[in-house]
Amino acid sequence: EDQVTQSPEALRLQEGESSSLNCSYTVSGLRGLFWYRQDPGKGPEFLFTLYSAGEEKEKERLKATLTKKESFLHITAPKPEDSATYLCAVQGDFQGGSEKLVFGKGMKLTVNP
Amino acid sequence: DTAVSQTPKYLVTQMGNDKSIKCEQNLGHDTMYWYKQDSKKFLKIMFSYNNKELIINETVPNRFSPKSPDKAHLNLHINSLELGDSAVYFCASSQLTDTQYFGPGTRLTVL
Repeated sequence: EDQVTQSPEALRLQEGESSSLNCSYTVSGLRGLFWYRQDPGKGPEFLFTLYSAGEEKEKERLKATLTKKESFLHITAPKPEDSATYLCAVQGDFQGGSEKLVFGKGMKLTVNP
Repeated sequence: DTAVSQTPKYLVTQMGNDKSIKCEQNLGHDTMYWYKQDSKKFLKIMFSYNNKELIINETVPNRFSPKSPDKAHLNLHINSLELGDSAVYFCASSQLTDTQYFGPGTRLTVL
């Protein structure tokens, strides 16, 4: 069964203090690894999709990387508005039309000014 | 302008009642989903529909029944609500197996 583990569960940073979030996964044939951001009371907001080991994507202060076992979300010089819960999800082999995402439990990031 | 919308945003009801949540997407996607997010914020797939056909049906009680009148709409009907059904329910859509885009969620509270 596909599994996703995110660590740490919560992270508190000072503004400008860079860090990385980890997402380790086991999946029967990775079709895609997804990062989402979720603000309180809102739906997950899409950030990145990574398809193969070695791939990297960037958006503003965020950079996502992928290996065969894990993905990292690097946050460079974060600002208070980066505070949110970050969700990692995997999509495994297309079996019988299964496009489902398997999510980790999320990582709550708080950036203090 | 909204891509994936859900109604209602909040739903408070008594145990044993029947309720429905509606979802609409204007992205032209052919696949729609229902996810449940529990009190620990864990997001889990319940159903998916592709062009009005049920594709995924995870281990969900029979009291939950999705209905897709057309590929832009996916509704969730819940019979005989129980305390454990309290959660936030998210609708999502995608084009085939591409990126899934989520709605704002419906917070269901069963008293």
